[in-house]
Amino acid sequence: AQTVTQSQPEMSVQEAETVTLSCTYDTSESDYYLFWYKQPPSRQMILVIRQEAYKQQNATENRFSVNFQKAAKSFSLKISDSQLGDAAMYFCAYRRENNNDMRFGAGTRLTVKP
Amino acid sequence: DAGVTQSPTHLIKTRGQQVTLRCSPKSGHDTVSWYQQALGQGPQFIFQYYEEEERQRGNFPDRFSGHQFPNYSSELNVNALLLGDSALYLCASSLEQYSTTEAFFGQGTRLTVV
Repeated sequence: AQTVTQSQPEMSVQEAETVTLSCTYDTSESDYYLFWYKQPPSRQMILVIRQEAYKQQNATENRFSVNFQKAAKSFSLKISDSQLGDAAMYFCAYRRENNNDMRFGAGTRLTVKP
Repeated sequence: DAGVTQSPTHLIKTRGQQVTLRCSPKSGHDTVSWYQQALGQGPQFIFQYYEEEERQRGNFPDRFSGHQFPNYSSELNVNALLLGDSALYLCASSLEQYSTTEAFFGQGTRLTVV
């Protein structure tokens, strides 16, 4: 069974600083997708970044980047130049190729201090 | 362009009752997935509808059922409610089954069973 583990229930960062959120996953599949979602108090899950397992290059989206280590089954999210609006719950998620069952971690609550 | 809309936003039901939650997908999307998010946890996949049929199901009992209409909107029905069914129910829409494109989430329906 595929499982996703986020070992940091809470993280805190100073505004304009950089923070890294950790995620590990367990799978025997070779083709899959990894995601980071942000869930603000409005409850709506918003896609932050995605990574295809077959791509060796780490995905980046503006201030957000990932460190994808396929052999280690690790998928961390780095947020640079943190902003107050980045404060939210962050969920790491995994989905197998040709499968719709997206598996989520338990989440990391990120606080941004002004 | 309206995103994914869910109704109602909040709902209180009594144990043993039945409930229906509704979801309208993002314009142009034809696939709807439902997730249950218990307090303090990540979302769990319930099932997905595509072409008006349930295409894939997570580890949820038959008390959870659904429907997709010709206009792609969807309903989630839960019978014989248990206290443990209290959660945030999220709907996500995407284009096509097994889509590799982004899934968009609604703001969810907060169900409380008393």
